[in-house]
This record gives sequence, C-alpha cells and structure tokens, in this order.
Amino acid sequence: GENVEQHPSTLSVQEGDSAVIKCTYSDSASNYFPWYKQELGKGPQLIIDIRSNVGEKKDQRIAVTLNKTAKHFSLHITETQPEDSAVYFCASSGHSGNTGKLIFGQGTTLQVKP
Amino acid sequence: ETGVTQSPTHLIKTRGQQVTLRCSSQSGHNTVSWYQQALGQGPQFIFQYYREEENGRGNFPPRFSGLQFPNYSSELNVNALELDDSALYLCASSPGGAGNSPLHFGNGTRLTVT
Repeated sequence: GENVEQHPSTLSVQEGDSAVIKCTYSDSASNYFPWYKQELGKGPQLIIDIRSNVGEKKDQRIAVTLNKTAKHFSLHITETQPEDSAVYFCASSGHSGNTGKLIFGQGTTLQVKP
Repeated sequence: ETGVTQSPTHLIKTRGQQVTLRCSSQSGHNTVSWYQQALGQGPQFIFQYYREEENGRGNFPPRFSGLQFPNYSSELNVNALELDDSALYLCASSPGGAGNSPLHFGNGTRLTVT
C-alpha cells in the first residue's frame, strides 16, 4: 500500500543551528506534500506545504524541497529556536490527490537546546 | 475566526461500549476529515465527509462510522470498542470540497478503552 517514510525519528540541535527532516513517498501520483508541527497536547498545525509542480518553497526560516524523480521531500529549518521543539510530520496526498486524505510519516521529535 | 473544535477532550470507555465524538469545523469550511493517532505514531486517515456524504475511507472497519450535518459539523461513532481503539482522534476541516485546500486540525479527543 501507499506509505511515507520519515527520518530521523529524533533530532537534537543547538539553538541557531539548522535542522533537516527527510521523507520518501511510495506513490508517484502523489501531488501534495504538507508538513505539520504538533506540540504536546495539541493537534497538528500546518507549517508549510508544497505541490508537485514546484521544486522548492520558502517561508521565513522554513523551506521545503521536493524531488519528484526520487520521490523525496525535505523540511529545512534555519536558525532554530527553542520554540521550534515539537514533533514534525510530513504527509502526502497519495494517489487520491485529495488534500484531506493524507498519508502521514511516523514523525520526527525535534529538540532545540538553548 | 473560530478554529476546529472537538468534544470531549478526554474520554474513558470500557471494551464493547460505543462512543460518539463531535467536531465543529472552522468557519467557512465544508469538508471534514477524521484521523486516528496512536501514541507515538502519525495520524491515520479514517474517512472524509463532504455535503453530508462519506467521501473516501481509510483502512478502518465498518464499526467506525460518521455523520456530517448541514452546518458542516461532524460526528465519529465507534461501536464495539476494542483496546486498540485507544488513541487521539483528530478532526480536520478544509474549505474545498474537491480536496484542494490544506487541512486544519482540532486538538483532538483522547479516547482510552479499558
């Protein structure tokens, strides 16, 4: 079946450093790739998304890159801050192309040390 | 603008019982998706509702059922509860019926089955 693999499962960085989280998807028909941040006791919050007709998208300290040929996409956070500490999930729309029917990765716990 | 709200926040049930979880979509959003998130895992798609009809279903048995009302709010019903149903149940809404818009999640209902 369709799946999304996410690495690493945990990531610890020093404040000010960059963090990179990588995901691989299985269905080449996937066309929508969001990233969500989930803090303790809360639901996932959309932080950035990218569609398959774009290779890169940036929003302040956050960027996402997409390699359709390799079926990889990555989240880049620069100048990390302690408040970036959370669990991050990548997701794919799968062959449905429906942005509401997402396939999520297993999550990456990011710890930013002050 | 009111976000996605879910009730109750926590619930404890006994194996074999039935449960109903409720969700109010974000203002202006007509599509609702439900997800199950087991501890330490990424959310898993249960089903989506649009125009009061089920619009796609994940790999969940028929004892998981739902409703959407004319005001776009939604319910998730689970019959014959099993221990493995213990999880965080997330509701998410989006403004586009065709599944072209990003999902906005509520903070979830934590269900514990004993």
